[in-house]
Amino acid sequence: GAVVSQHPSRVICKSGTSVKIECRSLDFQATTMFWYRQFPKQSLMLMATSNEGSKATYEQGVEKDKFLINHASLTLSTLTVTSAHPEDSSFYICSAPTPGHFSYEQYFGPGTRLTVT
Amino acid sequence: GENVEQHPSTLSVQEGDSAVIKCTYSDSASNYFPWYKQELGKGPQLIIDIRSNVGEKKDQRIAVTLNKTAKHFSLHITETQPEDSAVYFCAAISYGGSQGNLIFGKGTKLSVKP
Repeated sequence: GAVVSQHPSRVICKSGTSVKIECRSLDFQATTMFWYRQFPKQSLMLMATSNEGSKATYEQGVEKDKFLINHASLTLSTLTVTSAHPEDSSFYICSAPTPGHFSYEQYFGPGTRLTVT
Repeated sequence: GENVEQHPSTLSVQEGDSAVIKCTYSDSASNYFPWYKQELGKGPQLIIDIRSNVGEKKDQRIAVTLNKTAKHFSLHITETQPEDSAVYFCAAISYGGSQGNLIFGKGTKLSVKP
């Protein structure tokens, strides 16, 4: 299947600082990428849809000024957690659908563990 | 909007036994149903999927069945092995027309005891 990478795999930051997480599609181009958040022992919660060349679409309840998304190219989307607080500590996962007509498969990155101290 | 229910939340089986995880969905427009396996500390991995024009799909020890009338689909793992231990998520989405998003079930933690 298609490969999606994330960097970093884990990050620890101090409260009040900002953290950037990168999501890359390695062997295909992705005009759309998705960002999820997962708390321990819970399901994935969609945060936003990242669109290449246009603004991201945020799900209800997700602060767009806190979670900045930039889809810089057809293979790269970034999520920046601004002014991070301990409650932002979570597992952040991105995904991308494979391109092509009638392409349904969506592949996930390995995730980024964010810990805010 | 779509709602996906997944059962059971935990499942423990002996190595070699079969495991079945069931999901129901609410939106009859949903037409694609993937299953993901997530190991601890890793991202979800697509293991099998099924489209609404198919009733069953099999890939070695893994199979998925879909009942559109009842709006439920199931994951079947035969001859389970310890490495099958993980959390499994079902999902549903409606493709075509406006872009939809994957709606996930709450997950099933499968433990395969050697």
